[in-house]
Amino acid sequence: GDSVTQMEGPVTLSEEAFLTINCTYTATGYPSLFWYVQYPGEGLQLLLKATKADDKGSNKGFEATYRKETTSFHLEKGSVQVSDSAVYFCALSALSGNTPLVFGKGTRLSVIA
Amino acid sequence: GAVVSQHPSWVICKSGTSVKIECRSLDFQATTMFWYRQFPKQSLMLMATSNEGSKATYEQGVEKDKFLINHASLTLSTLTVTSAHPEDSSFYICSAANSGGTDTQYFGPGTRLTVL
Repeated sequence: GDSVTQMEGPVTLSEEAFLTINCTYTATGYPSLFWYVQYPGEGLQLLLKATKADDKGSNKGFEATYRKETTSFHLEKGSVQVSDSAVYFCALSALSGNTPLVFGKGTRLSVIA
Repeated sequence: GAVVSQHPSWVICKSGTSVKIECRSLDFQATTMFWYRQFPKQSLMLMATSNEGSKATYEQGVEKDKFLINHASLTLSTLTVTSAHPEDSSFYICSAANSGGTDTQYFGPGTRLTVL
């Protein structure tokens, strides 16, 4: 079945460091890919998404590019802030929005000043 | 943007009691709602898919008689944990998708259930 694998955490970075969180997927067909963020004590929020190969999703300084050839959707940010500390989930949706999401295990990011 | 609410946000109950969790889409019609469960420091696991006006589809290993799901309207789905036990303690999260064919689901803030 479909699956998402993302790098194990926790990840601890200093403020203004470069962030990469790796995500690879296995799916039949051409899924849509997502990054969700969960801040402490809150629910999941959509961070960015890409719906087809070579699409780049971006939001709040975060970017991820849908790479079909490597089945990857790595999350990057050039300069992290303390406020970026959260758990980040990579996810895929095989079809439309009316199909459930398959999530990776999540990566906890801690940014220290 | 689309907003999904959950009520209650947290609940503590005694073992053997039943707990109902509501999931509402506040500004759009959700033809499909999903219920997930999240254990501490783990990912979200899909429990069931709920389509308005029809029976929910449960994932393998999820007891449908224990986790009752009702999706009576386009803006409301409920999850009832019947005869709750301590092992049911978890974070329950719903998401909603509209009928517009978009790829985006909107998540509720979650409900933390603690069964004593």
